[in-house]
Amino acid sequence: DAGVTQSPTHLIKTRGQQVTLRCSPKSGHDTVSWYQQALGQGPQFIFQYYEEEERQRGNFPDRFSGHQFPNYSSELNVNALLLGDSALYLCASSFWQKNSPLHFGNGTRLTVT
Amino acid sequence: AQSVTQLGSHVSVSEGALVLLRCNYSSSVPPYLFWYVQYPNQGLQLLLKYTTGATLVKGINGFEAEFKKSETSFHLTKPSAHMSDAAEYFCAVGSGAGKSTFGDGTTLTVKP
Repeated sequence: DAGVTQSPTHLIKTRGQQVTLRCSPKSGHDTVSWYQQALGQGPQFIFQYYEEEERQRGNFPDRFSGHQFPNYSSELNVNALLLGDSALYLCASSFWQKNSPLHFGNGTRLTVT
Repeated sequence: AQSVTQLGSHVSVSEGALVLLRCNYSSSVPPYLFWYVQYPNQGLQLLLKYTTGATLVKGINGFEAEFKKSETSFHLTKPSAHMSDAAEYFCAVGSGAGKSTFGDGTTLTVKP
């Protein structure tokens, strides 16, 4: 049973560029959430997708956008990259229930130069 | 708004000693509480989750957490530390499906 898979594992981009990160949820899960983890900090909630719609959003600008596909997989897009966007981006999947724990992928390490 | 405070960004114990990692939360509704562990270059892995009505929650790898509503705490303990427990630990409070607020983490070092 495959867990959450993310691609790519590492990415280096230049300021101003755009990036797309991909995530496949754990089998059976219907909800995908994205988190940003800066060095030395806990994950910060970006947004979540359920039934192909963004349901909740954290305190992140519109440069951050996403998509969920019919097979529940998801993409995170970041436009006009800033140096401060350098972080580990984690995808998590769960059931659409309040107490459903998150299952995380190993993340994508994004470096913006 | 919900928040989580983890007291002590670094905790160091000797192998075989008690592990105690502290977590206090703020929540306006009955909380959904979790502890996760993160090993280097990996994502977070669930250790345990709070179940409504329980005071002591058992998790994987010998960890357990005690829920104290009066103190708004959910501290994580393990009676005897093992070298393989060295990692970063995160306390989190859930506020909706897929959405959790995390503390800043506690790095556990285990000395031989």
